[in-house]
Amino acid sequence: AQKVTQAQTEISVVEKEDVTLDCVYETRDTTYYLFWYKQPPSGELVFLIRRNSFDEQNEISGRYSWNFQKSTSSFNFTITASQVVDSAVYFCALSEAGGSYIPTFGRGTSLIVHP
Amino acid sequence: EPEVTQTPSHQVTQMGQEVILRCVPISNHLYFYWYRQILGQKVEFLVSFYNNEISEKSEIFDDQFSVERPDGSNFTLKIRSTKLEDSAMYFCASSEFQRGGTDTQYFGPGTRLTVL
Repeated sequence: AQKVTQAQTEISVVEKEDVTLDCVYETRDTTYYLFWYKQPPSGELVFLIRRNSFDEQNEISGRYSWNFQKSTSSFNFTITASQVVDSAVYFCALSEAGGSYIPTFGRGTSLIVHP
Repeated sequence: EPEVTQTPSHQVTQMGQEVILRCVPISNHLYFYWYRQILGQKVEFLVSFYNNEISEKSEIFDDQFSVERPDGSNFTLKIRSTKLEDSAMYFCASSEFQRGGTDTQYFGPGTRLTVL
């Protein structure tokens, strides 16, 4: 069975600090997909990234970067020079190609960026 | 940029009443989903829909729930007799190709359902 753990319930930082949100997953599949979504205070879910299990290259998009490490079953998300607008709940999710493909979400990490 | 839309944004209903939540998926997408998120908790899968039938459903999606694509654009979730524990944010999502795993699901803004 697939499982996603986001051990950090809440993180509080001051603007311009770097912050890393952890995501650890469990799966028996060799082919799977990992996602990050952002849920700002307004409530919608905003897609940030999808990564398949065969692509371990780290990705950078502006101030966002993702570190995928199969050896530790982790897909961590770093925000560099955080801003108040980054305040949101961030969800990591996993879907298995050999299963139903339906993503399982972690419990989310609430990031609060103070000015 | 195309997006998933949902109406209403907030629905308040009395326990035992029927509610219909509406979604308009992205127009060229073929797979549709409903999820719910009880306040402060994680997002939970309810049902997926493809080619006018349910392709997957979770344990949460019992006989009280039904989905329908009544026309070429809308995708609805009906709760027949609402319970207090149905109070949650309901998200609709759609994806272009395969069942969400090989293609990204894009979520709507959600409908907050409050059952009194």
